[in-house]
Amino acid sequence: KNEVEQSPQNLTAQEGEFITINCSYSVGISALHWLQQHPGGGIVSLFMLSSGKKKHGRLIATINIQEKHSSLHITASHPRDSAVYICAVTNTGNQFYFGTGTSLTVIP
Amino acid sequence: DAGVIQSPRHEVTEMGQEVTLRCKPISGHNSLFWYRQTMMRGLELLIYFNNNVPIDDSGMPEDRFSAKMPNASFSTLKIQPSEPRDSAVYFCASSFWEGDTEAFFGQGTRLTVV
Repeated sequence: KNEVEQSPQNLTAQEGEFITINCSYSVGISALHWLQQHPGGGIVSLFMLSSGKKKHGRLIATINIQEKHSSLHITASHPRDSAVYICAVTNTGNQFYFGTGTSLTVIP
Repeated sequence: DAGVIQSPRHEVTEMGQEVTLRCKPISGHNSLFWYRQTMMRGLELLIYFNNNVPIDDSGMPEDRFSAKMPNASFSTLKIQPSEPRDSAVYFCASSFWEGDTEAFFGQGTRLTVV
């Protein structure tokens, strides 16, 4: 069983749609990360959070520590949001666990 | 700052050869991470340093892999001898490890071992 599970694995949306990507984890964590990997391969760290909610532009990340669950929301999605979104957690022993990623395609 | 700089961007080498990947973290960052990404296994953390000291190298696949950080502005990941199964994209990332800060990734080195 993977310590980090993401859903869905693949997601196709129309431009403008509200998108949610989910991440569940089974270990005690000190932080959760959302990463974005573009088709060219580059990786960008979107959020690092340990509680509550963070917002950056059209992106919102939430975490529920009790339920061991995080969501990444994209409002007013755009084709340039097309990428693979990876959830990763750091456990209390500073070990990293990665989800397998959610491949998002936003169609104009 | 130019961000995290990795070199080379692409490396093709023959099985058995030594490969050295290089990383220059963002100035002022005190943590550095080496990751490997393959289609089969996704993204994996190999090793990370805090203040130039290796903290967790449990992700290093085997003794053929070694990483060093001789100073705050430079790190290397060495594979010796290289094998075809080492073919992957290797990412370096750096951050300021004081709680709520994010990591910044380099562009990656695409390694092909033939």
